[in-house]
Amino acid sequence: DQQVKQNSPSLSVQEGRISILNCDYTNSMFDYFLWYKKYPAEGPTFLISISSIKDKNEDGRFTVFLNKSAKHLSLHIVPSQPGDSAVYFCAARANAGGTSYGKLTFGQGTILTVHP
Amino acid sequence: GAVVSQHPSRVICKSGTSVKIECRSLDFQATTMFWYRQFPKKSLMLMATSNEGSKATYEQGVEKDKFLINHASLTLSTLTVTSAHPEDSSFYICSAMRQFNQPQHFGDGTRLSIL
Repeated sequence: DQQVKQNSPSLSVQEGRISILNCDYTNSMFDYFLWYKKYPAEGPTFLISISSIKDKNEDGRFTVFLNKSAKHLSLHIVPSQPGDSAVYFCAARANAGGTSYGKLTFGQGTILTVHP
Repeated sequence: GAVVSQHPSRVICKSGTSVKIECRSLDFQATTMFWYRQFPKKSLMLMATSNEGSKATYEQGVEKDKFLINHASLTLSTLTVTSAHPEDSSFYICSAMRQFNQPQHFGDGTRLSIL
């Protein structure tokens, strides 16, 4: 049961344009969402997060949008740079407490390629 | 920023041996650490959640006796793969969380290859 889905395995964008990465979820208990960037043979690097009480969070070139009614979030990168080329994972956390404390559920990842 | 160190980065060993992987939070105290496994071209799969001073909570399907987790301090957790076999070959990644409302920060992973 894939509770967090990234339906686009890959995305190719021209340098300077906007990259939009999408993520859908099914668990209505998720209340905190994160985006991570990952290079091969390295651990994920935290990019940006958003709480379910917000619908937008911005940090420099990165903006995350959350649509709770649609159970959908997206990451916008603008302008895109070649150094942004990596695998991007969205992740979600349920405020379930107990043994699920802080547990993240990850999507499958989207490979972003930014061409010069 | 939050730095998590994972060691070793790569291990190659014979079938039947045990391998210990360390995860350290270098500049913060981690209330909780997590251990993940990533298969090629797949997402990160949570194996267990580790809280300092208490037993780890394992995800369904993860063998507790196979993957021993020790979280002796607020800055160190270890994963020991006991009697490793070729099917245990994978990329293992740890993460550490300062407190509940903050993101997890990841180590750079350990590539384990069992011959």
